[in-house]
Amino acid sequence: DVKVTQSSRYLVKRTGEKVFLECVQDMDHENMFWYRQDPGLGLRLIYFSYDVKMKEKGDIPEGYSVSREKKERFSLILESASTNQTSMYLCASSSGTGGYQPQHFGDGTRLSIL
Amino acid sequence: QKEVEQNSGPLSVPEGAIASLNCTYSDRVSQSFFWYRQYSGKSPELIMSIYSNGDKEDGRFTAQLNKASQYVSLLIRDSQPSDSATYLCAVKNTGFQKLVFGTGTRLLVSP
Repeated sequence: DVKVTQSSRYLVKRTGEKVFLECVQDMDHENMFWYRQDPGLGLRLIYFSYDVKMKEKGDIPEGYSVSREKKERFSLILESASTNQTSMYLCASSSGTGGYQPQHFGDGTRLSIL
Repeated sequence: QKEVEQNSGPLSVPEGAIASLNCTYSDRVSQSFFWYRQYSGKSPELIMSIYSNGDKEDGRFTAQLNKASQYVSLLIRDSQPSDSATYLCAVKNTGFQKLVFGTGTRLLVSP
């Protein structure tokens, strides 16, 4: 089974802090994704990566950056946390470049910015 | 128009009934279609994928795809209270690795 591990289930930070969310997958997947999920808005893609050191902006990249130094690890960085970044953050991974591979999700990190 | 549309629900069905969840999509070149189940406070879990027109069955779940009409549906037979969750429809287009998600349909199965 695919295992996507997010470093924290719950996290509380203060406004202005730099926040790091870590995600590791154990299936040698090429593609990794960061989403946030808010009530009524569904899943929104923040950033994704299809290879080491490669990144692509998703639908809502403002206020975020990412890092992918190793294939198995994809980090999401909140440069200066704000209260409107309080959300559930979900990491996912998928294999290959074909059109048939699903994404597999980690357990999520519920982040609160005070 | 949203790219992937689902009725938000809740869809209420009695235990043992068939639950029918529907999803429409706007991009005709969409290639792959997925159904995820998400329990409250948990992450999405893949339950079905479908790529060709017609039906695909897996246990109590049947996914149906009609590319001409641009809809995909999920049938849950013999619904159980443990099936109560939000069901997300996701669509992938050719050449892209991104999934486009609907906002989900909340299903409530009453004992």
